Amino acid sequence: DVKVTQSSRYLVKRTGEKVFLECVQDMDHENMFWYRQDPGLGLRLIYFSYDVKMKEKGDIPEGYSVSREKKERFSLILESASTNQTSMYLCASRPPGQSIETQYFGPGTRLLVL
Amino acid sequence: GIQVEQSPPDLILQEGANSTLRCNFSDSVNNLQWFHQNPWGQLINLFYIPSGTKQNGRLSATTVATERYSLLYISSSQTTDSGVYFCAVLRDDKIIFGKGTRLHILP
Repeated sequence: DVKVTQSSRYLVKRTGEKVFLECVQDMDHENMFWYRQDPGLGLRLIYFSYDVKMKEKGDIPEGYSVSREKKERFSLILESASTNQTSMYLCASRPPGQSIETQYFGPGTRLLVL
Repeated sequence: GIQVEQSPPDLILQEGANSTLRCNFSDSVNNLQWFHQNPWGQLINLFYIPSGTKQNGRLSATTVATERYSLLYISSSQTTDSGVYFCAVLRDDKIIFGKGTRLHILP
């Protein structure tokens, strides 16, 4: 089975802290994605990556950065956390050029910024 | 860009009831997926259904691509069906999600 894991299920941070959210997939997928999910807004794409060291901005990249040093790992970084970044963060991976049904999601990280 | 709209936004039903969730999209697509997000946050693939009809137990889905909508049917609802249902389409190798339908099944 495809496995996408995220480093934390729940995280509480203070305003101004630097926050790292880690995502690891074990299926050798080239494509990896970070979304945030907020009530009534669905899932919105923050950043994605099609290869190691490659990154592309999604729809809401402001306040975030990413790192992809290894194929299996895609990190989301909040340089200086703010309360409006309190959200559920979901990581996903998918083989390139494949349909949606091959996209697999991690369990999510619920981040609370105080 | 393409718009994906889901209705209703919220639905509360008694256990055993049937429900229909709708997904409208603003442009032609050749990839459409229904997901269920359980109360613990995990997103699970339900149906990959760019066109036609599929069934899996109490759940079925129909997509009429020419009319740009898809329907998810849940029959004889159970409390474990609670959660958020998303439809999503693929455009330029990026997945675009609707805002979801939150379903509450009461015991």
